[in-house]
Amino acid sequence: AQSVTQPDIHITVSEGASLELRCNYSYGATPYLFWYVQSPGQGLQLLLKYFSGDTLVQGIKGFEAEFKRSQSSFNLRKPSVHWSDAAEYFCAVGPGGSQGNLIFGKGTKLSVKP
Amino acid sequence: DSGVTQTPKHLITATGQRVTLRCSPRSGDLSVYWYQQSLDQGLQFLIQYYNGEERAKGNILERFSAQQFPDLHSELNLSSLELGDSALYFCASSVGRSSGQETQYFGPGTRLLVL
Repeated sequence: AQSVTQPDIHITVSEGASLELRCNYSYGATPYLFWYVQSPGQGLQLLLKYFSGDTLVQGIKGFEAEFKRSQSSFNLRKPSVHWSDAAEYFCAVGPGGSQGNLIFGKGTKLSVKP
Repeated sequence: DSGVTQTPKHLITATGQRVTLRCSPRSGDLSVYWYQQSLDQGLQFLIQYYNGEERAKGNILERFSAQQFPDLHSELNLSSLELGDSALYFCASSVGRSSGQETQYFGPGTRLLVL
């Protein structure tokens, strides 16, 4: 069955430090991969997505992610974290079977130290 | 602002009651998805409608139902509510029927508290 694992429940980084959030997926075919961010009290906003082609994808707010098929991973990175990046980050894979829905990981909460 | 609207933002009700959550998709989007976010289960797909027709079903309880109207807005009906139904309910929309490629745009959610 398809699944998404985000191994880190909570990560704290200092402002200005680099960030990497891990995402591993289990999927029978070539997946479509997404990273969403959820700020407190807000809905989910798409950061970036990977469908095919270049395995390094650029997103909004300075984020990027790299698809590594051999490791079944799609890790999210940012070279320098800003305090406003504090939020919860969700990795998702689609489609869920023959359906068009997304399968989400449990999320990683990011805290930023001044 | 994703363009997806959900009402109400908050809902407090009692066990055994019935509530209706409403979602208006982005202009031009034909698919509406409902997700439930709870602390223990995370984000779970409930159901998808495409242009008024049910397209896909996920982990939706029999006590829950949904529909999509001709103007493409959608309602999620939750009945015989239990404490465990307390969660954040998200609506998302996308342009087409989705093969998983389409970007889904999420609304701000409705927070349901069942007492």
